[in-house]
Amino acid sequence: DGGITQSPKYLFRKEGQNVTLSCEQNLNHDAMYWYRQDPGQGLRLIYYSQIVNDFQKGDIAEGYSVSREKKESFPLTVTSAQKNPTAFYLCASGPRRVNEKLFFGSGTQLSVL
Amino acid sequence: GQQVMQIPQYQHVQEGEDFTTYCNSSTTLSNIQWYKQRPGGHPVFLIQLVKSGEVKKQKRLTFQFGEAKKNSSLHITATQTTDVGTYFCARATDSWGKLQFGAGTQVVVTP
Repeated sequence: DGGITQSPKYLFRKEGQNVTLSCEQNLNHDAMYWYRQDPGQGLRLIYYSQIVNDFQKGDIAEGYSVSREKKESFPLTVTSAQKNPTAFYLCASGPRRVNEKLFFGSGTQLSVL
Repeated sequence: GQQVMQIPQYQHVQEGEDFTTYCNSSTTLSNIQWYKQRPGGHPVFLIQLVKSGEVKKQKRLTFQFGEAKKNSSLHITATQTTDVGTYFCARATDSWGKLQFGAGTQVVVTP
């Protein structure tokens, strides 16, 4: 089945630790996105990539880093510089065209120990 | 920056009742998309509106795009418990499909 796979489903971070969230898609989409969801605040864009080996900061990129070495993969690292990392993280992908819908992964809940 | 504002933020509905949620922008929108996120789940695409005054229906859901393309609404008739979730509107912010989401309307249905 085609889709987007995020792992792990739950992740715990210790103080000062970097953690990496995985996102893999087999939909052959050029564009991939990372959103952060806090209760009552909707989805905020962290980083996005519209083509392999290129990515751009979104609205809340501070404390996060990404890479896009393969079309299928767009991992997100939450660094120790992100002081409030507890949130639900959603990865999405879509064709690199306007008026196309996004497909979302099932999300990763990150909590701080 | 330019945003889409959704109202209400929270909607408590009795089963069988109708309700409407709104998405408003201060600038003209090229399109508007609606997504639904069930509790504990991820957003799933519902529909896209592109034309001024466009109305689309999906069973009990009616989506409308304003004549000035600055607002959109989602109307649900005869609400069912399966309608529980958060409904987001989203606008395109570039020509490559990047979306900006509203804060969502969380819908709770009482049997």
